[in-house]
Amino acid sequence: KQEVTQIPAALSVPEGENLVLNCSFTDSAIYNLQWFRQDPGKGLTSLLLIQSSQREQTSGRLNASLDKSSGRSTLYIAASQPGDSATYLCAVSLSNFGNEKLTFGTGTRLTIIP
Amino acid sequence: DTGVSQDPRHKITKRGQNVTFRCDPISEHNRLYWYRQTLGQGPEFLTYFQNEAQLEKSRLLSDRFSAERPKGSFSTLEIQRTEQGDSAMYLCASSLSILVYEQYFGPGTRLTVT
Repeated sequence: KQEVTQIPAALSVPEGENLVLNCSFTDSAIYNLQWFRQDPGKGLTSLLLIQSSQREQTSGRLNASLDKSSGRSTLYIAASQPGDSATYLCAVSLSNFGNEKLTFGTGTRLTIIP
Repeated sequence: DTGVSQDPRHKITKRGQNVTFRCDPISEHNRLYWYRQTLGQGPEFLTYFQNEAQLEKSRLLSDRFSAERPKGSFSTLEIQRTEQGDSAMYLCASSLSILVYEQYFGPGTRLTVT
């Protein structure tokens, strides 16, 4: 059974700093990995998707990397802003066709201090 | 592209009552997923559809839960005889079944069972 872990559970950093969020998964046979952002009481916003054949994806100040063999992904946020405060979730889908359901971690709650 | 929509956004019901939620996916997406998220946890997979066919159901989906997707468009999730343990955020997502399968989430329906 795939298990996804995110460490730390919560993180506070001053505005302007760069930061890294971690995600690990137990079954390396993934199809893709998605990073999401969730604001309190809201739905999920997709940030980045990395296919299993890719090593990283970038969008603006965000960069996600994937090391499938070691079961790890990181989300790098550059020059953090107060608006980045949210919970960040990573999720993986398995490689079997027709089995694209996502398995999520419990998230990292990020607070950017102005 | 209006995104995934869900209705209602909030539902308060008394234990033992039936409730029904609706999800409208992104118009060209043929896959639709339901997830449940409790406080402090990541979303957990409940079920998914390809067009009108329900292809997989989680063991979390007890006999009191039923989901439909008539004509492969919108979907409904019904919970019969609600219990306090059903209180959660119910999230719907959709994707296009080509290569990447990136899932896009709606705003969720917050259910409170009193």
